[in-house]
Amino acid sequence: GENVEQHPSTLSVQEGDSAVIKCTYSDSASNYFPWYKQELGKRPQLIIDIRSNVGEKKDQRIAVTLNKTAKHFSLHITETQPEDSAVYFCAAWTGSNYKLTFGKGTLLTVNP
Amino acid sequence: NAGVTQTPKFQVLKTGQSMTLQCAQDMNHEYMSWYRQDPGMGLRLIHYSVGAGITDQGEVPNGYNVSRSTTEDFPLRLLSAAPSQTSVYFCASSDGQLSNQPQHFGDGTRLSIL
Repeated sequence: GENVEQHPSTLSVQEGDSAVIKCTYSDSASNYFPWYKQELGKRPQLIIDIRSNVGEKKDQRIAVTLNKTAKHFSLHITETQPEDSAVYFCAAWTGSNYKLTFGKGTLLTVNP
Repeated sequence: NAGVTQTPKFQVLKTGQSMTLQCAQDMNHEYMSWYRQDPGMGLRLIHYSVGAGITDQGEVPNGYNVSRSTTEDFPLRLLSAAPSQTSVYFCASSDGQLSNQPQHFGDGTRLSIL
């Protein structure tokens, strides 16, 4: 089955800096890659996603890049703010078995 | 729309007890799934359903049963609770049976097994 590796597990940045979280996946049939943000005690919420026919997608301060050849995708957050502090999860959807596999998460802390 | 509704929000059980975690969605989504979230482990898929009457196992199905008699409801049953099942359980749904669409999560059920 699909395996998603996520790095780093923790990331601390200063307010205004950029943050990058990287994920790799194993199943070349995976074709949809969402990113979720989860605040303490809350549900995971989708912040951005990308499909396999697109190499990059941007939404204000958040961008995601996908390299299908290398099977990795990354989340980029620019001009970080304290409210960006949360756990971020990457995931890969494999349409052949209808499953969404998550990485283990990255705890992002933005220091004022 | 209420989205995805999970009940109860909190539950404490004794080892060996059974219970059902409820999940309902009002978005007419075909795909529904259950995940458990443990510290440092991310979200792991327990069971999923691509439509009414169809269910299948995920990554960690042992000790759990599901059914999907209607499009709206997808209950998760713990047959004989064990301490290893202490976790936060999330139900999710997405539009489209086969397509890659965003999943909408419920607020979760925090379950403790003593």
